[in-house]
Amino acid sequence: EVQLVESGGGLVQPGGSLRLSCSASGFIFGDYPMNWVRQAPGKGLQWISHINHWGGDISYADSVQGRFAISRDNAGNQLYLQMNNLRDEDTAVYYCVRDIDWKFDFWGQGTLVTVSS
Amino acid sequence: QSALTQPRSVSGSPGQSVTISCTGTNSDFGVDDHVSWFQQNPGKAPKLMIYDVTKRPSGVPDRFSGSKSGNSASLTISGLQAEDEADYYCSSYVGRLSWVFGGGTKLTVL
Repeated sequence: EVQLVESGGGLVQPGGSLRLSCSASGFIFGDYPMNWVRQAPGKGLQWISHINHWGGDISYADSVQGRFAISRDNAGNQLYLQMNNLRDEDTAVYYCVRDIDWKFDFWGQGTLVTVSS
Repeated sequence: QSALTQPRSVSGSPGQSVTISCTGTNSDFGVDDHVSWFQQNPGKAPKLMIYDVTKRPSGVPDRFSGSKSGNSASLTISGLQAEDEADYYCSSYVGRLSWVFGGGTKLTVL
């Protein structure tokens, strides 16, 4: 059974940092590109970052470019999102999402990040 | 990277058909027809319902269908059922390893 389990969310002050993790199981993690997608409370979905299966191709939404960094550890079946200089508008549930052939076919349950003083 | 435009809400009675539109620009829908639709129930993660404009993943009922014309994509749900009540989001691959989502549509089954 495919499982994606996010962790690392919590309350952080504006300007602070947080590192999210996503633990993958039930499939060959290193065969799949991965993404982070977020959803602010009561709002829609927003794609924020992509990493290809071996970590050589990475992209970001304009809203997080230069502040967030995606990475992966294929040996440990882990996806990460390092978030720096956090802003109020970064408050959201962050989903770890598997990607195959340009479609998001499996989502984790999400981890909530709250940026507030 | 502006969001695709979806109606805020649609509604229909059981057994009826409803269509949810998703409108963008030439650049939003011009890359290889990688348009997807997701269903999201309250407090749950999104679920892939349609991909590549018209394809259904295994397990998704054939009551769900997708289409695209020009700068607009659509999701049609026929034979509406109470369990279809949820939020629905479109998304499109816009090239250079980037994706954009629609703002979401709340479907109410009357």
